[in-house]
Amino acid sequence: EAGVVQSPRYKIIEKKQPVAFWCNPISGHNTLYWYLQNLGQGPELLIRYENEEAVDDSQLPKDRFSAERLKGVDSTLKIQPAELGDSAVYLCASSSNPLVTYNEQFFGPGTRLTVL
Amino acid sequence: GNSVTQMEGPVTLSEEAFLTINCTYTATGYPSLFWYVQYPGEGLQLLLKATKADDKGSNKGFEATYRKETTSFHLEKGSVQVSDSAVYFCALMDSSYKLIFGSGTRLLVRP
Repeated sequence: EAGVVQSPRYKIIEKKQPVAFWCNPISGHNTLYWYLQNLGQGPELLIRYENEEAVDDSQLPKDRFSAERLKGVDSTLKIQPAELGDSAVYLCASSSNPLVTYNEQFFGPGTRLTVL
Repeated sequence: GNSVTQMEGPVTLSEEAFLTINCTYTATGYPSLFWYVQYPGEGLQLLLKATKADDKGSNKGFEATYRKETTSFHLEKGSVQVSDSAVYFCALMDSSYKLIFGSGTRLLVRP
């Protein structure tokens, strides 16, 4: 079974440019998460989707970040315009049903963004 | 708010040494607790979990016990291998199903 797929794996851009990251969750997983991982830190949740609906986007900086999951399957996270401080790893994860007491989140390999 | 604190690394051990990575948490209620591992170039993988007090999670020789009285979930392994070299993250899941991670501890095991 394929895991969570993310692309690209690496991205280098200049500040003020736009950038987009793509994630395809494990087949059948209704819940999709985007996390931000700064160097030397643990991941921090940016947004959680249940199917097409963003149910927790309280940590998403909405002035420059946006996300979509139009058909409830794959998802795109966008930054426009990028700033130097956005350099980090962007992780995508998915799970089958968060309403179960515990439901494992499976993580993709991440996209490492460098903003110059 | 909810938070996780784990010991800073790197932790450097010789092969077959005993490993302990400390983790303490602050949370309202009774969160589920996890250890994730991140091998070089790979995504985070769930290593073990415990969902209630006194539960012991175990996997691949690693163990951690949910200690409510000390709000701790320390990771232990009796004999580490070179292949255990990775970054280990302690995490809790809050009441809104959000994972809150510690800052990670890098383990380096030398032959």
